[in-house]
Amino acid sequence: GQQVMQIPQYQHVQEGEDFTTYCNSSTTLSNIQWYKQRPGGHPVFLIQLVKSGEVKKQKRLTFQFGEAKKNSSLHITATQTTDVGTYFCAGRLGSWGKFQFGAGTQVVVTP
Amino acid sequence: NAGVTQTPKFRVLKTGQSMTLLCAQDMNHEYMYWYRQDPGMGLRLIHYSVGEGTTAKGEVPDGYNVSRLKKQNFLLGLESAAPSQTSVYFCASWTGGSGYTFGSGTRLTVV
Repeated sequence: GQQVMQIPQYQHVQEGEDFTTYCNSSTTLSNIQWYKQRPGGHPVFLIQLVKSGEVKKQKRLTFQFGEAKKNSSLHITATQTTDVGTYFCAGRLGSWGKFQFGAGTQVVVTP
Repeated sequence: NAGVTQTPKFRVLKTGQSMTLLCAQDMNHEYMYWYRQDPGMGLRLIHYSVGEGTTAKGEVPDGYNVSRLKKQNFLLGLESAAPSQTSVYFCASWTGGSGYTFGSGTRLTVV
């Protein structure tokens, strides 16, 4: 079964609001990546987190890796219409290059 | 530098027909992957390759075959297409240290 779960599956946000999407794994991850897929497009790599408790920021996006390396979050502040899309997390379960993707959080932004 | 190129971009097949999807990368990446994406299911791994001449099964390999005769190319074959294989197919490559690079996808409809 799917080991990497994302919640919520769908997020409707008013422009200017903040929101958070979560990624949870049933097993410890060696690292985690986040991707963004615009409607009709392909997934584009955003960031990778490796260390326990790591926090990284990209402008209005804040990514966090849990202390136990079993969960991660993506927080977006002051949402803009350009943030529309589906955000995927992908967890690396072992020591080589196979990541398991979550089902994604589809974000819709209302002006 | 084109990255990952997938051909064709769109295809309609009749049930029982066969076809091959081509993925080419110019980044000298060792790892290559084929995913399918269906609504609400995220990205599911079909087959992957850790190097030239090697392939392995992913989560949903049934009905598909792959080959990696050259490092830069990863082919996905459907021997006898079924309506359940209607999906968007993404190829990705990876070398470690960063995220996957995805192609723009192939939208396949089986009627």
